[in-house]
Amino acid sequence: DTGVSQDPRHKITKRGQNVTFRCDPISEHNRLYWYRQTLGQGPEFLTYFQNEAQLEKSRLLSDRFSAERPKGSFSTLEIQRTEQGDSAMYLCASSLTGANTDTQYFGPGTRLTVL
Amino acid sequence: AQSVTQLDSQVPVFEEAPVELRCNYSSSVSVYLFWYVQYPNQGLQLLLKYLSGSTLVKGINGFEAEFNKSQTSFHLRKPSVHISDTAEYFCAVSVRVHAGGTSYGKLTFGQGTILTVHP
Repeated sequence: DTGVSQDPRHKITKRGQNVTFRCDPISEHNRLYWYRQTLGQGPEFLTYFQNEAQLEKSRLLSDRFSAERPKGSFSTLEIQRTEQGDSAMYLCASSLTGANTDTQYFGPGTRLTVL
Repeated sequence: AQSVTQLDSQVPVFEEAPVELRCNYSSSVSVYLFWYVQYPNQGLQLLLKYLSGSTLVKGINGFEAEFNKSQTSFHLRKPSVHISDTAEYFCAVSVRVHAGGTSYGKLTFGQGTILTVHP
């Protein structure tokens, strides 16, 4: 069990550019979540996948954001036309249906800085 | 809707002293409760959780927490802290929600408490 991994750990981009982040969940976990954490705040829910299906999206997830989990394993989060307000830590978590009532285990996060 | 309030944004304490980090929640349905720790520039690590049963739960690194249903609280305690406990601590509630024909535990986090342990 290698835990949840995320890549890259840090990303600096210019306003207007597109960025993509990757999350690899714990191997047997079928549920995957994305969160956004801004400075001085707790993580805020963005979206939830069970296997390859995206089943819930927060209203925080604007049209510029898209998430996929094509084969029910790794997931990607893409932000198009980045804005300075997108600067945040993006966290991924995974869980196993029914195990300890969906206890979520988090990755190290991707810190995005938009200049 | 549920909410989580962490009553102290910062808690300074000396090494080997006891510490309590306070957490209150609000929810109209039953919840599960979690504490996570976040070290600088890292993700969240699960410290402990309350699902059911005994209201006193023990976690990693010598931390424990007590669920108090009447006061809707889940305070985190450690009898003697170390320098290495310096980090930000997040309390979270999990509520079952339905989405796409499934139900899952949706987490809502508090704003965090920065614990600083001084030598």
